[in-house]
Amino acid sequence: QKEVEQDPGPLSVPEGAIVSLNCTYSNSAFQYFMWYRQYSRKGPELLMYTYSSGNKEDGRFTAQVDKSSKYISLFIRDSQPSDSATYLCASGGSYIPTFGRGTSLIVHP
Amino acid sequence: EADIYQTPRYLVIGTGKKITLECSQTMGHDKMYWYQQDPGMELHLIHYSYGVNSTEKGDLSSESTVSRIRTEHFPLTLESARPSHTSQYLCASSHPDSPTGELFFGEGSRLTVL
Repeated sequence: QKEVEQDPGPLSVPEGAIVSLNCTYSNSAFQYFMWYRQYSRKGPELLMYTYSSGNKEDGRFTAQVDKSSKYISLFIRDSQPSDSATYLCASGGSYIPTFGRGTSLIVHP
Repeated sequence: EADIYQTPRYLVIGTGKKITLECSQTMGHDKMYWYQQDPGMELHLIHYSYGVNSTEKGDLSSESTVSRIRTEHFPLTLESARPSHTSQYLCASSHPDSPTGELFFGEGSRLTVL
């Protein structure tokens, strides 16, 4: 079983939509959960992270972790064409990071 | 903006050639990584290093080798390239004391082997 699973999409939404991106993980020891954003022909960049369970909000973005179900989510409100990118979830902390496959998001005007 | 650089950005070579992908960072990070990324697939860890003279293989079997003679430099070498090596190679680094383990990535080296 892969340690981090993510549906690769692609996910196509109209501008202004609420987007939900999801991952599952298998290692109960993971404490930090990361979301990286990767634009075409660029390397990934950290978007935000959460520690243990709960929510974290940053502008239009909300990251959520449910440790009981081992479920990681990223919500994007009022999505913009500039949000079009691949979003990768990953484990963090002291472990060597393990990545999901990334979900390709397309926000069309 | 992260200070980690990869060269070349794009490379097309013939089978059997030896190539070295360069990676340098100016952040003084001890931890460095090489990932392989194919479209729609996970980033697969192929090598990592926790400091000078320390290198380890990742979980993806690879015919490449790495060296870490200086903190800032972590080159990856393929002695004899094959078409199966065609992929995007991403270099990353992280601060050893970072609680989150945040990775800083270069822009990648896209390799095509004919």
